[in-house]
Amino acid sequence: KAGVTQTPRYLIKTRGQQVTLSCSPISGHRSVSWYQQTPGQGLQFLFEYFSETQRNKGNFPGRFSGRQFSNSRSEMNVSTLELGDSALYLCASSSDGSSGNTIYFGEGSWLTVV
Amino acid sequence: QKEVEQNSGPLSVPEGAIASLNCTYSDRVSQSFFWYRQYSGKSPELIMSIYSNGDKEDGRFTAQLNKASQYVSLLIRDSQPSDSATYLCAVNTDNFNKFYFGSGTKLNVKP
Repeated sequence: KAGVTQTPRYLIKTRGQQVTLSCSPISGHRSVSWYQQTPGQGLQFLFEYFSETQRNKGNFPGRFSGRQFSNSRSEMNVSTLELGDSALYLCASSSDGSSGNTIYFGEGSWLTVV
Repeated sequence: QKEVEQNSGPLSVPEGAIASLNCTYSDRVSQSFFWYRQYSGKSPELIMSIYSNGDKEDGRFTAQLNKASQYVSLLIRDSQPSDSATYLCAVNTDNFNKFYFGSGTKLNVKP
């Protein structure tokens, strides 16, 4: 069974640009969540989608957005990039999204903003 | 106040010893608890989950949960150099898949 797939794996962007990251969850999983990991702040929750609906959102500015498609694949977008957005962006999937479900991470997308 | 706290380490143990990793959390309604291992430059991988008070064993790993003390721990028996990684404690406060992560404890197992 294939794991969580994230693309692209590495990317470099310039301040002010925007970026779109993609995530394909484990087959059969309907919940997709996104996390940002930085050395200073650790792993922080961005948002979570289930059946194309955003159910939870973390404390990030509106420049961070996401969506989920009918096939459960998800994308997140960051607009007007800032240097501080440089981070590892992790997508995680779980089966039905109920409380107590385990989340499984993809390999992540390494974003560098210059 | 951080929701999940861990000692950042590094925690150094000799090969074959028991490594003990600790985690405290602030939200009393937390329902689910997880330990993830993260190698440098890699993504977190699940080691164990625990939901009820007491111990849960899986091979060389034992997770311990004490909800009254808001405390979770992970014991690694017969530590191996390949166990050297950062261990992340995660808590789910029953808000579906919004997990709170600790900052991680770096473990070094010396041959």
